[in-house]
Amino acid sequence: DTGVSQDPRHKITKRGQNVTFRCDPISEHNRLYWYRQTLGQGPEFLTYFQNEAQLEKSRLLSDRFSAERPKGSFSTLEIQRTEQGDSAMYLCASSLESGQGFQNEQFFGPGTRLTVL
Amino acid sequence: RKEVEQDPGPFNVPEGATVAFNCTYSNSASQSFFWYRQDCRKEPKLLMSVYSSGNEDGRFTAQLNRASQYISLLIRDSKLSDSATYLCAVTGSGFGPGTRLSVLP
Repeated sequence: DTGVSQDPRHKITKRGQNVTFRCDPISEHNRLYWYRQTLGQGPEFLTYFQNEAQLEKSRLLSDRFSAERPKGSFSTLEIQRTEQGDSAMYLCASSLESGQGFQNEQFFGPGTRLTVL
Repeated sequence: RKEVEQDPGPFNVPEGATVAFNCTYSNSASQSFFWYRQDCRKEPKLLMSVYSSGNEDGRFTAQLNRASQYISLLIRDSKLSDSATYLCAVTGSGFGPGTRLSVLP
């Protein structure tokens, strides 16, 4: 399967615990995005990487959230001291961008559903 | 004001009906526009890109109006399988909240 993969698919944790999610993008894609989605809402942008550089981070992203893409391939999203409000679907997407202003479609992974008890 | 807004929905239409969705955006510098489809508990998948001249793909037609800053999606002869949430995406602004469509037999 050459699509975007995410691991784990489901995570249940207790409030206050740390969690880490992984995303493996389509191999030739240089851009990787993280989104959060709750029921009835569209994907909410969290952050994105161009290769290994984190170029933008949402103002909504608290300092409990951190993301890395160390070698420009897979990425991890860590949430520290989880809160019940963090319960959501966390989606990863990747795209191949030429950097000429227009953007190409994003391919999404299946998501990681986080439940904080 | 949200950067990307969509018709609130849900839209419940009979099979064979024509249905249209609108999406407005606030960033006049946006250059790329897309419609995605999201089935329940699945990830979004690209339905079609939206070009300045408008584009058609079978029963689906997308239009862009830069002056009024909106895009539209028209679905003709709707099928049961078209039931899903339709998300518009605008570069520099992100995704809209989605419009849910239910096509009824």
